[in-house]
Amino acid sequence: EPEVTQTPSHQVTQMGQEVILRCVPISNHLYFYWYRQILGQKVEFLVSFYNNEISEKSEIFDDQFSVERPDGSNFTLKIRSTKLEDSAMYFCASSDGTGGRTLGTDTQYFGPGTRLTVL
Amino acid sequence: LAKTTQPISMDSYEGQEVNITCSHNNIATNDYITWYQQFPSQGPRFIIQGYKTKVTNEVASLFIPADRKSSTLSLPRVSLSDTAVYYCLVGGGGADGLTFGKGTHLIIQP
Repeated sequence: EPEVTQTPSHQVTQMGQEVILRCVPISNHLYFYWYRQILGQKVEFLVSFYNNEISEKSEIFDDQFSVERPDGSNFTLKIRSTKLEDSAMYFCASSDGTGGRTLGTDTQYFGPGTRLTVL
Repeated sequence: LAKTTQPISMDSYEGQEVNITCSHNNIATNDYITWYQQFPSQGPRFIIQGYKTKVTNEVASLFIPADRKSSTLSLPRVSLSDTAVYYCLVGGGGADGLTFGKGTHLIIQP
């Protein structure tokens, strides 16, 4: 069964450093997403990406964040200058987009996550 | 997106059937209902999705009454490995991100 993969599984960085989290979505999927989950809290939507551009983003996704699909398989999340409060699990997800916004039938498949620790 | 309400936690025993009910009074006409499962330090995993009446797959059943203002996830004969957080979500599709609530922490005891 196809699955979303993420690397690294753990990332430790110093405050102020840049980090890039990597994801390989399911190959025939069209929509890509990033979520984060601070320890003990809810899973929070960050951004969605379609057709090589950002489709939607939450208020969490400020100028410190960026996403990119550098090639046909990878999808990355960059945090330019990490803060202590960026420590969280970051999940990538993808969907095939068959449902679309009006139908709400898209199933999003999540990766195993990257645990980011900012010291 | 419609807001959902579900119990914060539930306990049950191995071999029992577990039913988790979710309220979504403001569900829109086009909204589907989706349930996810999450184990500690893992990503949410899709369980089941439905629009109305009953949906069944190899893992669970989903019961949705005619007014669609609630839904019930039914897990038959649970085991210890079903201990997880279960999320009920409504709507979301395409570019829209999913809105997760706090979910229901299901604890299965021997």
